[in-house]
Amino acid sequence: AQKVTQAQTEISVVEKEDVTLDCVYETRDTTYYLFWYKQPPSGELVFLIRRNSFDEQNEISGRYSWNFQKSTSSFNFTITASQVVDSAVYFCALSELNNDMRFGAGTRLTVKP
Amino acid sequence: EPEVTQTPSHQVTQMGQEVILRCVPISNHLYFYWYRQILGQKVEFLVSFYNNEISEKSEIFDDQFSVERPDGSNFTLKIRSTKLEDSAMYFCASRALEQETQYFGPGTRLLVL
Repeated sequence: AQKVTQAQTEISVVEKEDVTLDCVYETRDTTYYLFWYKQPPSGELVFLIRRNSFDEQNEISGRYSWNFQKSTSSFNFTITASQVVDSAVYFCALSELNNDMRFGAGTRLTVKP
Repeated sequence: EPEVTQTPSHQVTQMGQEVILRCVPISNHLYFYWYRQILGQKVEFLVSFYNNEISEKSEIFDDQFSVERPDGSNFTLKIRSTKLEDSAMYFCASRALEQETQYFGPGTRLLVL
């Protein structure tokens, strides 16, 4: 069965600090997909990134970067030079091929000015 | 950019009443999903739908729940006799064939009194 663990319930940083959100997953499948979604206070789920299990290349998109390590079953998300607008709940999620998506419990990030 | 839409954005109902939550998935998508998020908790999978039938459902999706695609555009979730514990945000999502990314609607916040 697939499982996603986000051990950090809440993180608080000061603007311009870097912050890393951890995600550890479990799956028996060799083909799977990992995701990060952002949920701002308004409540919608905003897609940030998808990674498939065959692609361990790390990705950078502006101030966001993701570190996928199959050896440790982790898919961590780093925000560089955080801003107040980054304050949200961030969910890591996993789906096996053609299966539903399982979410972690989420990490609430608060960025203070 | 095409997006998933959901109506209503908020619904308040009395315990025991039936509610229908509506979703319009992205037009060329073929897989449809419902998720729910109880306040402050993680997003939980309810059901997936493909080719006019349920492809997978979770243990939450009991006989009180049903889904339907009544026409070519809408995808509905019906709760037959609502309970207090059904109060949650309900998200619809859709994805295209051969694509693993699910795109979420803005959610319907359901409050059962």
